[in-house]
Amino acid sequence: EAGVTQSPTHLIKTRGQQATLRCSPISGHTSVYWYQQALGLGLQFLLWYDEGEERNRGNFPPRFSGRQFPNYSSELNVNALELEDSALYLCASSPYGQGNSPLHFGNGTRLTVT
Amino acid sequence: AQSVTQLDSQVPVFEEAPVELRCNYSSSVSVYLFWYVQYPNQGLQLLLKYLSGSTLVKGINGFEAEFNKSQTSFHLRKPSVHISDTAEYFCAVSLNSGGYQKVTFGTGTKLQVIP
Repeated sequence: EAGVTQSPTHLIKTRGQQATLRCSPISGHTSVYWYQQALGLGLQFLLWYDEGEERNRGNFPPRFSGRQFPNYSSELNVNALELEDSALYLCASSPYGQGNSPLHFGNGTRLTVT
Repeated sequence: AQSVTQLDSQVPVFEEAPVELRCNYSSSVSVYLFWYVQYPNQGLQLLLKYLSGSTLVKGINGFEAEFNKSQTSFHLRKPSVHISDTAEYFCAVSLNSGGYQKVTFGTGTKLQVIP
């Protein structure tokens, strides 16, 4: 069984540009979660998609957005990049978005904003 | 709203010594509890989970955790650590809210195993 895959592995952008990060969940998983892991700040919840709909978002500005495609893969877009957006962005999937489902994580995309 | 507290940001321990990583949570409803491990430059991997039943849960790599409802704790333990256990460990609580899953992570504990 293939795990959660994220691309690209590394991404370097300059301030003000846009970044697009991609995630493919485990086959059969319908829920996709995005987290930001900045240095020293732990895991910050960004967005949750299930069955193609945004179900919840964390305390992030609107320039963080995303979508989930019919095949359940997902895309995270960050507009008007700021230096503090530099972080590891982790995607996770779960089979049906229920409380007793563990999350399965990808290895992340390291975004560096210069 | 639920919350998770990992009081120790870093725990140094000598190789082959025992270790306990502490996790306390608060929630007004029943929750499911998880421990994840993150090795450098990787995502998080599930170590173990408590859903119901026996309060002592065994996971991968020799780790175990005990759910204590009265103390709202879910501490992670290993009787003898190896160098390869050096990683960051995250406690998480999960519940069903409005029919959907809500997950909250602790801030993580970095375990440094000293040879």
